[in-house]
Amino acid sequence: SAVISQKPSRDICQRGTSLTIQCQVDSQVTMMFWYRQQPGQSLTLIATANQGSEATYESGFVIDKFPISRPNLTFSTLTVSNMSPEDSSIYLCSVSEEGGSGQPQHFGDGTRLSIL
Amino acid sequence: GNSVTQMEGPVTLSEEAFLTINCTYTATGYPSLFWYVQYPGEGLQLLLKATKADDKGSNKGFEATYRKETTSFHLEKGSVQVSDSAVYFCALSGAGSYQLTFGKGTKLSVIP
Repeated sequence: SAVISQKPSRDICQRGTSLTIQCQVDSQVTMMFWYRQQPGQSLTLIATANQGSEATYESGFVIDKFPISRPNLTFSTLTVSNMSPEDSSIYLCSVSEEGGSGQPQHFGDGTRLSIL
Repeated sequence: GNSVTQMEGPVTLSEEAFLTINCTYTATGYPSLFWYVQYPGEGLQLLLKATKADDKGSNKGFEATYRKETTSFHLEKGSVQVSDSAVYFCALSGAGSYQLTFGKGTKLSVIP
């Protein structure tokens, strides 16, 4: 399966600032996703990162708050903008195995973000 | 829409005990089913999967059987180890979909 590297692994940020998280995959993949995992909670899908076009956001998430880039088939970034303490979470990127729908996703180790 | 319900935790077991974590789902058609494990401080790892009814997924001594008639995918292990302490997530991918729907997770602690 694909090897996924996320940077940074953790950060502590000030209220009102923005942070960009990078996700690098060791092979070309079609489907990439960004999730949020709030403390002690399950994963919530933020958006699907589409190569060459705007990301597809889930209900409750907007581009102004979580802009996403996907310049090629191996790389994506998620920016958390104008951060508040409520944004303190683990942010994870994932990729879907090739071979059509119904395939499992593989995850990076996540970025642990704390907002002061 | 799709949904996954798994048993509430936390679950605490002694080493070598038998483990069952219940998972039931609601979906149209024939989803693919997965168990993921999250060790402390790490991301999610795929533990096992099943893509059609009566399939049994297995890995590292864990197994789960896709039961269409009961819409269930319970995780079992015959003898847990301290190293199995983690959070376990049941998930599904709906027919024709690339997205995953996760359960809330079950925290397992295994004590020596």
